Amino acid sequence: GENVEQHPSTLSVQEGDSAVIKCTYSDSASNYFPWYKQELGKRPQLIIDIRSNVGEKKDQRIAVTLNKTAKHFSLHITETQPEDSAVYFCAAIDNAGNMLTFGGGTRLMVKP
Amino acid sequence: EAQVTQNPRYLITVTGKKLTVTCSQNMNHEYMSWYRQDPGLGLRQIYYSMNVEVTDKGDVPEGYKVSRKEKRNFPLILESPSPNQTSLYFCASSGGPSYEQYFGPGTRLTVT
Repeated sequence: GENVEQHPSTLSVQEGDSAVIKCTYSDSASNYFPWYKQELGKRPQLIIDIRSNVGEKKDQRIAVTLNKTAKHFSLHITETQPEDSAVYFCAAIDNAGNMLTFGGGTRLMVKP
Repeated sequence: EAQVTQNPRYLITVTGKKLTVTCSQNMNHEYMSWYRQDPGLGLRQIYYSMNVEVTDKGDVPEGYKVSRKEKRNFPLILESPSPNQTSLYFCASSGGPSYEQYFGPGTRLTVT
């Protein structure tokens, strides 16, 4: 099955700085890569996703890049704000397209 | 309001006492799934269902059962809970695995 590794497990940045979270996946046939944000005590919510036919996608301060050859994808958050503090999860879909495998999560702390 | 509901939200039980966690969605989604969340391990899929009467194992199905008799409901059954099933459980629904997953509020289960 699919295996997704996520780094770093914790990340602390100063408000206004950029944050980058990286994930690698094992199944070269994977074609869908979402990112979820989970605030403390809340449910995970989708913030951005990318499909394998594009290399980059942006939504305001958030961007995701995908390198299919290297089998890795990254989340970039620019101009971080305290409300960006949360746990972020990457995921990849299996080659059968039936289930998502999530990474272990990154706890992002944005210091004011 | 479009939503996924789970009940109960909190449950403390003893080893071996059968329990059911209910999950219901009102978005007419075909795809539903159950995850458990443990520190450092991210979200791990227990079971998923592509449609009514169609269920399949995820990455960690041992000790769990599910059923999908109606489109809106996807209960998780623990026939004989053990302490290693102490975890935070999330139900999710979507139009498919490669679309946005809508998570329920979570059920925190403690097995003593």
